[in-house]
Amino acid sequence: DAGVIQSPRHEVTEMGQEVTLRCKPISGHNSLFWYRQTMMRGLELLIYFNNNVPIDDSGMPEDRFSAKMPNASFSTLKIQPSEPRDSAVYFCASSFEDPGTGNTIYFGEGSWLTVV
Amino acid sequence: AQSVTQLDSQVPVFEEAPVELRCNYSSSVSVYLFWYVQYPNQGLQLLLKYLSGSTLVKGINGFEAEFNKSQTSFHLRKPSVHISDTAEYFCAVPNQAGTALIFGKGTTLSVSS
Repeated sequence: DAGVIQSPRHEVTEMGQEVTLRCKPISGHNSLFWYRQTMMRGLELLIYFNNNVPIDDSGMPEDRFSAKMPNASFSTLKIQPSEPRDSAVYFCASSFEDPGTGNTIYFGEGSWLTVV
Repeated sequence: AQSVTQLDSQVPVFEEAPVELRCNYSSSVSVYLFWYVQYPNQGLQLLLKYLSGSTLVKGINGFEAEFNKSQTSFHLRKPSVHISDTAEYFCAVPNQAGTALIFGKGTTLSVSS
């Protein structure tokens, strides 16, 4: 069974450019998460979707960040314009139901973003 | 509020030695606890989780963790580590709404020969 698939795995871009990260969750999962990992702040939840609807976007750092989930098998995280402080690993993850009932969240391999 | 604290940022050990990675939690709702492992340049994968029942939980790769309600702890242990166990380990708890996981800062386990 395929896991969570993310693309690109690595991206180097110049400050001011638009960055789009893509995610395909595990088939049948109805919860999707975008996390960001940095040395300073660790793993932070950016946004959570349930049944394709954004439920909690309180972790999105600012208006430069946006996320969409047009259908159950695809999500994007967009940064426009990008800044050097956005350099991080961005993880997409999915689960069958909420982890609050003990369900496991499955992570993708991550998208390693460097903004120069 | 829900939170986890990983007490050690780095734990260096020799191969075949025992190891304990410490995690303390704070939770105002039903407690579910998770340990994840992240190998270099990879995503996170589940090691084990506590839902209910036996306080000793066994996971993959010979790891186990013990849930201690009185001490609000969920420490991860392995009796004999291998070089291949070198990785970052994260303790996690569901957020207040139960909709996502909150992760600790992580503990880097470095196993040397």
